[in-house]
Amino acid sequence: DAGITQSPRHKVTETGTPVTLRCHQTENHRYMYWYRQDPGHGLRLIHYSYGVKDTDKGEVSDGYSVSRSKTEDFLLTLESATSSQTSVYFCAGADYDEQYFGPGTRLTVT
Amino acid sequence: TQLLEQSPQFLSIQEGENLTVYCNSSSVFSSLQWYRQEPGEGPVLLVTVVTGGEVKKLKRLTFQFGDARKDSSLHITAAQPGDTGLYLCAGKSNFGNEKLTFGTGTRLTIIP
Repeated sequence: DAGITQSPRHKVTETGTPVTLRCHQTENHRYMYWYRQDPGHGLRLIHYSYGVKDTDKGEVSDGYSVSRSKTEDFLLTLESATSSQTSVYFCAGADYDEQYFGPGTRLTVT
Repeated sequence: TQLLEQSPQFLSIQEGENLTVYCNSSSVFSSLQWYRQEPGEGPVLLVTVVTGGEVKKLKRLTFQFGDARKDSSLHITAAQPGDTGLYLCAGKSNFGNEKLTFGTGTRLTIIP
């Protein structure tokens, strides 16, 4: 099931550079989410979207921005990457309760 | 901010043993979900519990939602190596938005 795909799957970038991660869905989910996963913290919500061009902040939104210009795509941008943003990033889609996750993007900021 | 604490953080047991994982909060949730995540993949939903005191069974897995809807437990009977993974609980707020608060996770290893 490739309902939620993420690209790239792995990325290494340097401190201070902008980075954009892409999430693409084929299931017409109304809601989409970006999380980061770090040891000991579970999944923490960065930003989410409740419709095209409708987005809101999560609990760890500083240093991140998102855009959703069409239902299928939800982009996460790190405006100026820092080492503290080294993490695994997950995108998810949902209509009601269940969230469907992508395979993740491992980002390393050196 | 609603917090969900899971315990234990790590658990390693022999195949065939029973185990219980706990998910606790001081906040009330309208529903609570359990996800399992395998290495290199995203979490996958196992179950959703909605009513205080509710018990749901999924083969050898038993999930319970606390009476006050602040906590939950996952019990596995006769654990198998295929149960190995990261187990995450996630609570949905009473305030009607579509966000989940995820717990800190329990990494379970079943030794053959």
